[in-house]
Amino acid sequence: EIVLTQSPATLSLFPGERATLSCRAAESVFTSLAWYQQKPGQAPRLLIYDASNRASGVPARFSGSGSGTDFTLTISSLEPEDFATYYCQQRRSWPLTFGGGSKVEI
Amino acid sequence: EVQLLESGGGFEQPGGSLKLSCAASGFTLTNYAMSWVRQRPGKGLEWVSGLSGGGDSTYYPDSVKGRFTISRDTSKTTVFLFMHDLRAEDTAVYYCARGRSGSQYYFDYWGQGVLVTVSS
Repeated sequence: EIVLTQSPATLSLFPGERATLSCRAAESVFTSLAWYQQKPGQAPRLLIYDASNRASGVPARFSGSGSGTDFTLTISSLEPEDFATYYCQQRRSWPLTFGGGSKVEI
Repeated sequence: EVQLLESGGGFEQPGGSLKLSCAASGFTLTNYAMSWVRQRPGKGLEWVSGLSGGGDSTYYPDSVKGRFTISRDTSKTTVFLFMHDLRAEDTAVYYCARGRSGSQYYFDYWGQGVLVTVSS
């Protein structure tokens, strides 16, 4: 199983600031990585797939980068609705796995 | 509009069984892979089963292999998760999720989730 490690666990920022979240895979997943946003009491929402492609309807302030074992989700300027928990997920091999999550808090 | 609506959650004792259902609408079920993903209270996401779009392949992590079974009824546009030999650690909110077209095991639509509680 491919373990995904996210950091930091919690990121405290102000609206308007830049958020940089990391996801590290224990072995290469090439670019087979997605990012999700989850708010309390809600289902996750797909933000980024194949490491750098924005899903439909996702604002341009969200961007993904990386390949192999190191990936980054960047939120260029935090809006109030962006304060949430973010998860990475790989689909390179079975079983599909998620990272432990990074919480972006005000 | 794509919608996924889970049902069938509830309380069960260890060793018991439950069947979760996911009613799909707004798309053709046979064109998409489907999965179940769970979230234990206060914890992260865990994928627990996958069904290919063709319906001929299923996938499970070791944590549930042999105990959980995913299937679908295309005439009823419903996906099921049969859970047997339930354990306390299966307590979670279970989400039904659709695989994205073209990259089937990223999840572009999710249900609202259904709570399963396993306790004596």
